[in-house]
Amino acid sequence: DAKTTQPTSMDCAEGRAANLPCNHSTISGNEYVYWYRQIHSQGPQYIIHGLKNNETNEMASLIITEDRKSSTLILPHATLRDTAVYYCIVRLSGGSNYKLTFGKGTLLTVNP
Amino acid sequence: DSGVTQTPKHLITATGQRVTLRCSPRSGDLSVYWYQQSLDQGLQFLIQYYNGEERAKGNILERFSAQQFPDLHSELNLSSLELGDSALYFCASSVNPGPSSGNTIYFGEGSWLTVV
Repeated sequence: DAKTTQPTSMDCAEGRAANLPCNHSTISGNEYVYWYRQIHSQGPQYIIHGLKNNETNEMASLIITEDRKSSTLILPHATLRDTAVYYCIVRLSGGSNYKLTFGKGTLLTVNP
Repeated sequence: DSGVTQTPKHLITATGQRVTLRCSPRSGDLSVYWYQQSLDQGLQFLIQYYNGEERAKGNILERFSAQQFPDLHSELNLSSLELGDSALYFCASSVNPGPSSGNTIYFGEGSWLTVV
């Protein structure tokens, strides 16, 4: 799987949009971008994933650049409950490498 | 609630002992994954099963073993426990074994193992 680079930590004010960047410059054409988050010591929670196009669901939006070398996860109106470690993961769409490989992620702290 | 159920939620045991962690995947999911999360190591992939067969192996110690049963639940067996095995153990499941079509993996809430 392609390696990802994320900032170690970020702060966001409650009610504002949180924009979490991820660099995956070595991504290949058949690799998806996944985002998970982990609220302290809870199980990782799936947020969203995409291949080429931007994606949106009830939790977040995922913006993938045209060259697919980076992406941004957007939480449109961050709340205190969004404080968590956010993981950007690039994962093959085929072959035998099925697992998710977690890096260190970004600790997002939402402040009142 | 992801639909993945893990038991027990907390477990305290002594060094040298053996424990079994149990996982029930989401309804309809055939693939089960086990992960370990300790303070200094982050989330580490251990092993994956699909429909009863081992599919991928990660950083799993020889003292650890797993299996997936015909009813698709899985067990992770940890033996000759050491202090360093204290960690959160997560089970996850997905419909398919591979990541085709963006097959999503869902995690349980974990089993806290403390070895004293």
